[in-house]
Amino acid sequence: GESVGLHLPTLSVQEGDNSIINCAYSNSASDYFIWYKQESGKGPQFIIDIRSNMDKRQGQRVTVLLNKTVKHLSLQIAATQPGDSAVYFCAENVYGQNFVFGPGTRLSVLP
Amino acid sequence: EADIYQTPRYLVIGTGKKITLECSQTMGHDKMYWYQQDPGMELHLIHYSYGVNSTEKGDLSSESTVSRIRTEHFPLTLESARPSHTSQYLCASSRATNEKLFFGSGTQLSVL
Repeated sequence: GESVGLHLPTLSVQEGDNSIINCAYSNSASDYFIWYKQESGKGPQFIIDIRSNMDKRQGQRVTVLLNKTVKHLSLQIAATQPGDSAVYFCAENVYGQNFVFGPGTRLSVLP
Repeated sequence: EADIYQTPRYLVIGTGKKITLECSQTMGHDKMYWYQQDPGMELHLIHYSYGVNSTEKGDLSSESTVSRIRTEHFPLTLESARPSHTSQYLCASSRATNEKLFFGSGTQLSVL
C-alpha cells in the first residue's frame, strides 16, 4: 500500500510484484524527465529518462510513462526485488534551466 | 559507474571551523552542481557552474561558497560551520544543462 510517512510517501510491495511510482511535475514547459534511485548513504543513481516527444520508454525491468496532458510521470518496476528498495526521485527539466527534483518516494520490498 | 568523486565521505567538526568539501569529475563535463539534502528529504540546489570561472547561486540560499578554477574540480567551502549546516552535500555534473546528472556519493556533514 501507499502512505505518507514523516518525510516521504512510502510504497510497500511484495517481492516479485510490479511497482508503480508516481510523480506529478509542475512545469508544462518541461521537456526532459529523469528517474533516479537513491539507496541509503549513496548519491542518486540514474535509472531511465524520457523526452517530451515520447510517452513511453522501456529499460531493463523498468518502464517510464509520460502523460503531458495531466503533467504526470510514472516509473514501473517489473518483478520487484529486494535490491530495488530505495528512494526514487523524478526530475524535470526545461531546456536551458536546471533540473527540478520531486519530493521522492520510498519503495520498501517485503519478503 | 559515474566518474565523480567526493571527499570526505563523512565529516564531524566543531562550530566555527572552516571546511572545504571536495568534488572532482573525470568526464570533462562543463556543468557542475552542489545539492543539499536532509535525510529522507528532497534535493535542493545551492550552487552550480557552467564551466571554468563560472559560479552561480542555486534555489536554496546557502552560506557556503564555491570556486571553479579547473573543469574537473568544484570545491565547496564553509567559512564558519554551524549546527544548522548539518546535512548531506551532493555534488553532480552533466555534459550540458539539459543532459542527465551524474552524482557523487555525497559528504555527510555533522557540525557539533
